[in-house]
Amino acid sequence: KNEVEQSPQNLTAQEGEFITINCSYSVGISALHWLQQHPGGGIVSLFMLSSGKKKHGRLIATINIQEKHSSLHITASHPRDSAVYICAVGGTVRADKLIFGTGTRLQVFP
Amino acid sequence: DTGVSQDPRHKITKRGQNVTFRCDPISEHNRLYWYRQTLGQGPEFLTYFQNEAQLEKSRLLSDRFSAERPKGSFSTLEIQRTEQGDSAMYLCASSAPGNLNQPQHFGDGTRLSIL
Repeated sequence: KNEVEQSPQNLTAQEGEFITINCSYSVGISALHWLQQHPGGGIVSLFMLSSGKKKHGRLIATINIQEKHSSLHITASHPRDSAVYICAVGGTVRADKLIFGTGTRLQVFP
Repeated sequence: DTGVSQDPRHKITKRGQNVTFRCDPISEHNRLYWYRQTLGQGPEFLTYFQNEAQLEKSRLLSDRFSAERPKGSFSTLEIQRTEQGDSAMYLCASSAPGNLNQPQHFGDGTRLSIL
């Protein structure tokens, strides 16, 4: 079993739909990161959080430390949101040594 | 802030050849990371520099792989005697000084294809 699990692996949506991507982890963490990877390969950091909830534009990230679970929500989805969304965790000893999930591929159709 | 820059974006080479990739981190960032990502998987840690010192290497990094950061600025990753299994995206990331718990800024990666 991987230390970081994401679900679903693939997700398709119609423009405007509310989207949720889930991440569960089995190790102690200092922080959890949500990353976005476009088809060209580049990765953009969306959120880093260690408790509660963060919001940026149409993106919302939440984390439940007790349940070792995080969710990434996209409100009013748009075709430009199509990308792979990756969850990664930093450990308690080496916060910068990230362990990555395998990603969720999102396609939003007009 | 010009971001993390990687060169080349794509590299196609025959098995057995040597390849070298370059990463230019964000100028004030003292930490630099190399990752490898195979198709359908998340990135995996390869090695880490703080300034010019290589502080950690993954067991994934066989003796055919070597990384340097001679002046604490740009870094190179060299693969000698490439094998089919080396085909992957090689990603570089950097982060700012201070505590370890901060965002990493990624480059666009170098996609390596071994024929």
